[in-house]
Amino acid sequence: QITLRESGPALVKPTQTLTLTCNFSGFSLTTAGVGVGWIRQPPGKALEWLALIYWDNDKDYSPSLKNRLTITKDTSKNQVILTMTDMDPVDTGTYYCAHRHDNTACLPDWGQGTLVTVSS
Amino acid sequence: QSALAQPPSVSGAPGQRVTIACTGSWYDIGGGYGVHWYQQLPGTAPRLLIYASNNRPSGVPDRFSGSRSDTSASLAITGLQAEDEADYYCQSYDTRLNAYVFGTGTKVTVL
Repeated sequence: QITLRESGPALVKPTQTLTLTCNFSGFSLTTAGVGVGWIRQPPGKALEWLALIYWDNDKDYSPSLKNRLTITKDTSKNQVILTMTDMDPVDTGTYYCAHRHDNTACLPDWGQGTLVTVSS
Repeated sequence: QSALAQPPSVSGAPGQRVTIACTGSWYDIGGGYGVHWYQQLPGTAPRLLIYASNNRPSGVPDRFSGSRSDTSASLAITGLQAEDEADYYCQSYDTRLNAYVFGTGTKVTVL
């Protein structure tokens, strides 16, 4: 059974850096084709893809947020970490991590999401 | 990157058939990685509904079906049920930008 769980601060102040951790089980991030990504959703709005890291440590980033994002993995801990710098109230939303299991580029497994509010 | 275009809302009576269109480009839907569909019930995480244009993961009712043609795709729900009331998103991969891209989302209302 594949599970993913996001964790991180519920509240961050403007200009601070957000660090989110995705803990996963049921698959290995060393298997060819596998990846873990991050997607966010502002309240009442659409999904927005942020970043994804692959089994071979290749990384894809949203072009519009690339300068603020860093995604890393710790395969020994089954963790993927996303950092986002210079947080702003418009970054408020639910942040999900998701599992990509092959080269179809779909995301069959998602965490429950973690709500991050940016406010002073 | 630009989001894939979807209608904001569609509605239908129980038992009817509704379709949701998703429009992209030759770099994403037409770019070789296909298109996938997700259902998001209120207050929950998205759930994969259709992958690679027209394939259903195990557990997804066959009332849901997908199709793709060139740079657009569609999701059809036949025999609409009250529990189908949710937001639906298409998703693909932009081969020019090396970026995943979601649709703008469609809210399905069961009348």
